[in-house]
Amino acid sequence: EAAVTQSPRSKVAVTGGKVTLSCHQTNNHDYMYWYRQDTGHGLRLIHYSYVADSTEKGDIPDGYKASRPSQENFSLILELASLSQTAVYFCASTQNTEVFFGKGTRLTVV
Amino acid sequence: QQKVQQSPESLIVPEGGMASLNCTSSDRNVDYFWWYRQHSGKSPKMLMSIFSNGEKEEGRFTVHLNKASLHTSLHIRDSQPSDSALYLCAASMAGNTGKLIFGLGTTLQVQP
Repeated sequence: EAAVTQSPRSKVAVTGGKVTLSCHQTNNHDYMYWYRQDTGHGLRLIHYSYVADSTEKGDIPDGYKASRPSQENFSLILELASLSQTAVYFCASTQNTEVFFGKGTRLTVV
Repeated sequence: QQKVQQSPESLIVPEGGMASLNCTSSDRNVDYFWWYRQHSGKSPKMLMSIFSNGEKEEGRFTVHLNKASLHTSLHIRDSQPSDSALYLCAASMAGNTGKLIFGLGTTLQVQP
C-alpha cells in the first residue's frame, strides 16, 4: 500500500512560535496535499503541490506556507503559530484517483 | 456554508442492519465523488469512488450517484460493529482529483 509518513505525530507549540510539519511519500506520486481537520469544519485543503519546487494555495492558506523541495517531501510551515491553528493535520498524495493520507499530526498551540 | 452537505449527522443501526448515508454538492463544477471512512484517531481511508451516473457495488457497500442533482448515497448492508466510524463524502473536479471538498461527515454507530 502507498506510504505517506508524517512527522512529528503530535506537537505542542507556543503561540507566536514557528512550527514545521513534515511529510514524506514513497509512492512516486506527483501530487501532494496538506489538509487540516477540525470539529465543525471537517477536512479543509491548505496547500498542495503537483511538482517539486512549486506549491499552490488551497482553500484556507492564510497563516500557512508550504515547501516542496523534492518529489518525496512536502512541508507545512506555520511562521507565527496561533491558537486557531490547533487541529489535526493530514498530508496526502495521489497520482491519478485514490488519495492516500498519512496518519496525521495533532498540533496543539498554547 | 458547506459546499458538500452530508446527512444524517449521526446514525445508529443494529448489527446486521442497513445503513444509508447521503451527500449533496452545491458546487456544480465537481465531477467525482468519493466516500472515505475514518475510524476514531485514524486517518481517512477511501472506501468507494463514483464518477458516473448509476450504481456501484463492492461487497457490502453500494454507492449511487445522480449527477444532475449532484447527489450521492452510500448504503452498507449487513452492518458490522467494525463499520462504526465517521463516513466522509468528498467531491473533486476531474483535473485535480486530490483537491477534495469534504462534507462534515456522518457518524455511524453499529450496535451489537
